[in-house]
Amino acid sequence: GQQVMQIPQYQHVQEGEDFTTYCNSSTTLSNIQWYKQRPGGHPVFLIQLVKSGEVKKQKRLTFQFGEAKKNSSLHITATQTTDVGTYFCAGPDTGFQKLVFGTGTRLLVSP
Amino acid sequence: DGGITQSPKYLFRKEGQNVTLSCEQNLNHDAMYWYRQDPGQGLRLIYYSQIVNDFQKGDIAEGYSVSREKKESFPLTVTSAQKNPTAFYLCASSLSKGAQYFGPGTRLLVL
Repeated sequence: GQQVMQIPQYQHVQEGEDFTTYCNSSTTLSNIQWYKQRPGGHPVFLIQLVKSGEVKKQKRLTFQFGEAKKNSSLHITATQTTDVGTYFCAGPDTGFQKLVFGTGTRLLVSP
Repeated sequence: DGGITQSPKYLFRKEGQNVTLSCEQNLNHDAMYWYRQDPGQGLRLIYYSQIVNDFQKGDIAEGYSVSREKKESFPLTVTSAQKNPTAFYLCASSLSKGAQYFGPGTRLLVL
């Protein structure tokens, strides 16, 4: 079945360092969505990318959708302790009935 | 105040007992979803519903049941057939093919 993998599984950075998580799908995606889940909380929608090669920015966060629409990345510039959490990517399944979530990347930021 | 609510926040289940988790949304979303999350793990889809009076099994439906009698409500019953029910249960809703909005979750513990 359709699979979405993320790397790394876990990353620990010092505050101020940059961070990137990569998302790879086994199939071409019509769009890619990113979610953030704080420790003990629920996933919160961050952004959706639709076009091949699309790049979107939200303050220190940069999201990119690959040219082949099978991969995506999230880059955080100068991390802050408020960035702590698990970041999930997700794409629609081939029937557009549901989302297939990635395995997630857990980010820990030390002050 | 629009949103998606889940109750209770914590739920304790005794052996052989069925328990029902509530999920309500006033976002006028057609689609609703139930996920299970184990500690340090990703999201696994239990059931989903694209429209009232219709729902489909997700990846781990065994031991669970749902109903969708109203657009606003999508309760999940964890039956006694689910032998390892301890987990964090998340409900979400969305417009068709759109971003998913999650409730705060219910933590189910077995006594």
